[in-house]
Amino acid sequence: NAGVTQTPKFRVLKTGQSMTLLCAQDMNHEYMYWYRQDPGMGLRLIHYSVGEGTTAKGEVPDGYNVSRLKKQNFLLGLESAAPSQTSVYFCASSSDGTTNTGELFFGEGSRLTVL
Amino acid sequence: GEDVEQSLFLSVREGDSSVINCTYTDSSSTYLYWYKQEPGAGLQLLTYIFSNMDMKQDQRLTVLLNKKDKHLSLRIADTQTGDSAIYFCAEDGQKLVFGTGTRLLVSP
Repeated sequence: NAGVTQTPKFRVLKTGQSMTLLCAQDMNHEYMYWYRQDPGMGLRLIHYSVGEGTTAKGEVPDGYNVSRLKKQNFLLGLESAAPSQTSVYFCASSSDGTTNTGELFFGEGSRLTVL
Repeated sequence: GEDVEQSLFLSVREGDSSVINCTYTDSSSTYLYWYKQEPGAGLQLLTYIFSNMDMKQDQRLTVLLNKKDKHLSLRIADTQTGDSAIYFCAEDGQKLVFGTGTRLLVSP
């Protein structure tokens, strides 16, 4: 049972380059999320999706775009990477967004460095 | 606005009890959570408490909730080296908000 899988796990980019992080979940979850984790700042929500074909902005959406073309996949794109986007990115999914325990299932993270 | 605060670091000896504290701001939270992040991994739900409870015990874990003070704590009894990790509290009021995380270091 794979759960939530993120690719790639590591990436180094130069300023201005673009890239896409892929998140795949096999739990048939409706909700998917992208967070970034920075030292001393906890987890901050970038974008999220409440179902196939939908996306919404989170707390820190600037500089990122997302797409949810298939229910099991949630893509995070950086069109023009900046050093401030150096971070560890986590994808998560949940069965729904209501307070039904609301457990999130996380991927292992993708470490991105922008030089 | 919502803000969830935790101390950044806690160090204990193996066998001692650990207490990790958290303060939150959204009184409409229905559930409050504790997630554990081991090195190089994502977060995993450790335990949660419903907002109308003041205590929940699960084996070595005890969660205490003081709604009046908006204070949540996680007590780990007989702490083991395998408990070394970062612990995040989270509230789910208007939206799910994570704290900054507390790094627990357990020394032999």
